[in-house]
Amino acid sequence: QKEVEQNSGPLSVPEGAIASLNCTYSDRGSQSFFWYRQYSGKSPELIMSIYSNGDKEDGRFTAQLNKASQYVSLLIRDSQPSDSATYLCAVREQAGTALIFGKGTTLSVSS
Amino acid sequence: KAGVTQTPRYLIKTRGQQVTLSCSPISGHRSVSWYQQTPGQGLQFLFEYFSETQRNKGNFPGRFSGRQFSNSRSEMNVSTLELGDSALYLCASSFQGSTEAFFGQGTRLTVV
Repeated sequence: QKEVEQNSGPLSVPEGAIASLNCTYSDRGSQSFFWYRQYSGKSPELIMSIYSNGDKEDGRFTAQLNKASQYVSLLIRDSQPSDSATYLCAVREQAGTALIFGKGTTLSVSS
Repeated sequence: KAGVTQTPRYLIKTRGQQVTLSCSPISGHRSVSWYQQTPGQGLQFLFEYFSETQRNKGNFPGRFSGRQFSNSRSEMNVSTLELGDSALYLCASSFQGSTEAFFGQGTRLTVV
């Protein structure tokens, strides 16, 4: 059973701080990793994709991947109240096209 | 560029009935996947279609089925509805050769 694990949170950070969200996955052969943001009552929105070990930066977001440790993380710098949402980690299965999702981490940014 | 469009947005059905949900992918996207999201199980993969063929299927009972048309639009059908089928059903489309999937607004199905 392929699994993606995330801490459910809530993760609470003050405005302007760095929020760090983590994810581990079980499918060692997976090659594609994604972070989605989902506001309450809305659908998931793709915010980052990462395929190679190391860091990938996009604005205030940095995704980090360590395939040896089967670990993916998302850093949000200068967190804003508008970043308050549930962040879903998704891993594309090696043998197929399905995305396996974690249950999500709820982030709350206080002003 | 229009996003993924799902209709209807909300549905209320009675146990035992069947339901059909529709998804129009982003223009040029030929891969359409369906997911079920519930508070307890999170997002779970139902199936994926590409060029009118089911390419992958998740671990759901045969009451859940789908199809894709030549214009890449997809429908999902659930027969003999059960209370546990109440969920947000999400459709995602991908461009050929890309692993990135973009979700529609979802259809909120309530079975009473």
